[in-house]
Amino acid sequence: TQLLEQSPQFLSIQEGENLTVYCNSSSVFSSLQWYRQEPGEGPVLLVTVVTGGEVKKLKRLTFQFGDARKDSSLHITAAQPGDTGLYLCAGDPDSWGKLQFGAGTQVVVTP
Amino acid sequence: NAGVTQTPKFQVLKTGQSMTLQCAQDMNHNSMYWYRQDPGMGLRLIYYSASEGTTDKGEVPNGYNVSRLNKREFSLRLESAAPSQTSVYFCASGRLAGDEQFFGPGTRLTVL
Repeated sequence: TQLLEQSPQFLSIQEGENLTVYCNSSSVFSSLQWYRQEPGEGPVLLVTVVTGGEVKKLKRLTFQFGDARKDSSLHITAAQPGDTGLYLCAGDPDSWGKLQFGAGTQVVVTP
Repeated sequence: NAGVTQTPKFQVLKTGQSMTLQCAQDMNHNSMYWYRQDPGMGLRLIYYSASEGTTDKGEVPNGYNVSRLNKREFSLRLESAAPSQTSVYFCASGRLAGDEQFFGPGTRLTVL
């Protein structure tokens, strides 16, 4: 059973469209991290959200941490082919330094 | 800086064989981790080392052992490989436990 549930599992869109990826849990997290992984490579951190209700923007990517710190979302505006990848959310539910990862959302942006 | 390096990149084993996956980081990080990644299951923590000289089990430790050789190096050993251990293995490091993690390029292991 995944502690962090990500949806959807797969998303295929055209260049220029918007998309949102969700990361939900019944547990409270002190922070959540979002990573992007490209084929044949390891994940790379995009952002860490730490405060309930926080919104962080990274160019065309907007990350939101839920008020109750149980969920997060990633919104991409005007997606580009370079946004293609596996998006993973991760959190440390016990604050023991052990991250738990969601199963990921595979995003494909076609020109 | 190379970041996190892993060897080998690819490996094929027969059931029952043993092997060691090597990982090294040059960022002076205290924490190091081993994950496996399987389709539809995200990354699952096998073992981690919060600091030099300490190791602890993660979510899926059975069939694996680890050694934190020094601050830079953290190896993962499969004593008797099984087909269920076919996976992509990632090593990661972080300044402190819970901090951002930096991942290596992965080792793709197939056990026949």
